[in-house]
Amino acid sequence: NAGVTQTPKFRVLKTGQSMTLLCAQDMNHEYMYWYRQDPGMGLRLIHYSVGEGTTAKGEVPDGYNVSRLKKQNFLLGLESAAPSQTSVYFCASRGTGQNYGYTFGSGTRLTVV
Amino acid sequence: AQSVTQLDSHVSVSEGTPVLLRCNYSSSYSPSLFWYVQHPNKGLQLLLKYTSAATLVKGINGFEAEFKKSETSFHLTKPSAHMSDAAEYFCVVSEGGAAGNKLTFGGGTRVLVKP
Repeated sequence: NAGVTQTPKFRVLKTGQSMTLLCAQDMNHEYMYWYRQDPGMGLRLIHYSVGEGTTAKGEVPDGYNVSRLKKQNFLLGLESAAPSQTSVYFCASRGTGQNYGYTFGSGTRLTVV
Repeated sequence: AQSVTQLDSHVSVSEGTPVLLRCNYSSSYSPSLFWYVQHPNKGLQLLLKYTSAATLVKGINGFEAEFKKSETSFHLTKPSAHMSDAAEYFCVVSEGGAAGNKLTFGGGTRVLVKP
């Protein structure tokens, strides 16, 4: 089925370690987003991209970097993980025109100890 | 700037009774509005969306929402709750602009359905 795929689904990191979360979409969407979900706070935007080769900061970008080298992939990196980055991370992509709407991945649960 | 307030963090209903989830928003422009549902340990599923067409929007699984501009509200309703409706629900607003229609989420409403 077409959609947004996130890998990995679960990960435990030690403080100071690095990792990359991968988001892949097969709907040819231009717009892609990374959110984090914390209890009682809904989802907050970390970074987003409006097209291949572009990225921009969202609401809570500190401690994260992103890259969009290919249209279908949007990578989220943590260079030096901190316990405050323990969260569930969601990737989303957005269609335009008649296909306007957001499709979310199933999430990555990250724990930093 | 846009914002979303979900007025109830928890709602408890009996199976077969109506469900009402309240959402108020603020937006500088004509917004698009969405309701998403998240079942435990799952991703987000779109229930319905309002994009400046009919103000009464019908979604999946018997849910509907009414956009009221004068009240800046977008409340979600369902006439008869089912056990499978137990989940967390998010009201979401999106504005246009150079930022690529970013979404702003409410804090969520957790629905408990009692047998």
